[in-house]
Amino acid sequence: KAGVTQTPRYLIKTRGQQVTLSCSPISGHRSVSWYQQTPGQGLQFLFEYFSETQRNKGNFPGRFSGRQFSNSRSEMNVSTLELGDSALYLCASSLEVATTEAFFGQGTRLTVV
Amino acid sequence: GEDVEQSLFLSVREGDSSVINCTYTDSSSTYLYWYKQEPGAGLQLLTYIFSNMDMKQDQRLTVLLNKKDKHLSLRIADTQTGDSAIYFCAEKGISGAGSYQLTFGKGTKLSVIP
Repeated sequence: KAGVTQTPRYLIKTRGQQVTLSCSPISGHRSVSWYQQTPGQGLQFLFEYFSETQRNKGNFPGRFSGRQFSNSRSEMNVSTLELGDSALYLCASSLEVATTEAFFGQGTRLTVV
Repeated sequence: GEDVEQSLFLSVREGDSSVINCTYTDSSSTYLYWYKQEPGAGLQLLTYIFSNMDMKQDQRLTVLLNKKDKHLSLRIADTQTGDSAIYFCAEKGISGAGSYQLTFGKGTKLSVIP
């Protein structure tokens, strides 16, 4: 069974640009959550999607958005990139929202220059 | 907001036991987790415990939960150099929106000395 796939693995963008990251959950999993990991703030919850609906959102500005497709694949978008958006973005896949286990992908390393 | 605290560093000799500690504040926590992160990699789920359990053992890993003190620990028996990584404690609680989210500690960097 394939794990959680995040693409791309690495990305370099310039301040002011926008970026889209992709996450394909484990087959059969319908819940996808996104987290931002930085050395200073650690792991912070961005948002969670289930059945194409955003169920929960963390404390991030509106420049961070996401969506989920009918095949459960999810994308997150960051507009007007700032240097502080440089981070490892991790996606977690769960069978359902309240499921015990959440499995993480390898992450997308975003560098904003 | 809810908070999860861990010590930042732990150093042990190969073959010894490692104990990584964590405290949390959310009384609505349903499950508590331990994840492992190796350099350049994502998070690997090691084990988890339901909030009404005291202990869970899984091969070399033992999780102890003191719900009264909101204290969680992970014991790794016979620690190997391959166990060197950052270990994250996380709790799953119910958000104000009625959904669930994981709140992570800052991670404990375990260094295993050969």
